[in-house]
Amino acid sequence: DAGVIQSPRHEVTEMGQEVTLRCKPISGHNSLFWYRQTMMRGLELLIYFNNNVPIDDSGMPEDRFSAKMPNASFSTLKIQPSEPRDSAVYFCASSLSIAGVEQFFGPGTRLTVL
Amino acid sequence: DAKTTQPPSMDCAEGRAANLPCNHSTISGNEYVYWYRQIHSQGPQYIIHGLKNNETNEMASLIITEDRKSSTLILPHATLRDTAVYYCIAPSSGNTPLVFGKGTRLSVIA
Repeated sequence: DAGVIQSPRHEVTEMGQEVTLRCKPISGHNSLFWYRQTMMRGLELLIYFNNNVPIDDSGMPEDRFSAKMPNASFSTLKIQPSEPRDSAVYFCASSLSIAGVEQFFGPGTRLTVL
Repeated sequence: DAKTTQPPSMDCAEGRAANLPCNHSTISGNEYVYWYRQIHSQGPQYIIHGLKNNETNEMASLIITEDRKSSTLILPHATLRDTAVYYCIAPSSGNTPLVFGKGTRLSVIA
């Protein structure tokens, strides 16, 4: 298995632009998680899905952030409009269940908003 | 989640055992303890988990005190590639996801 796949690996954009991050979870995993990591705030859980349904989005910082999971093999995290403070590494992870023993993380997307 | 406390940083000589402590004094009887690590520029990686008994796998050993208020992750022969941030997590029982704290930054020194 290729593991969790994220794209793009790096994204540089200008303030005000729309940014879409993509994630393909491991086949057979029912739960998907989006995290954001910065030096100041560490690793923050933004939102998670179970069986393609959003369960808890209380970690999403603002209405500018939205996430979807149209099917079991694809999820997106969108920021519109982007701001410099959104600059961070965004990780996607998947597991067999929400409280699954092992979460498998993707390589992350490093987002820079100028 | 049970609150966990870890030292911010530790050093270990290459080839020696690295013992990483974690305090989780508020843990309840059915909450597991999980350990993950994050090597620079990579996503976190699962290491091991346990409830009451000591656990061992190919990566590490986990020692949990009898009162379950603390645990120690042991890397028996640390290598330079073990340099990473190590996270101890004690999620609430039930259907709740992992929440990562600040972890311990382990530096393995040649």
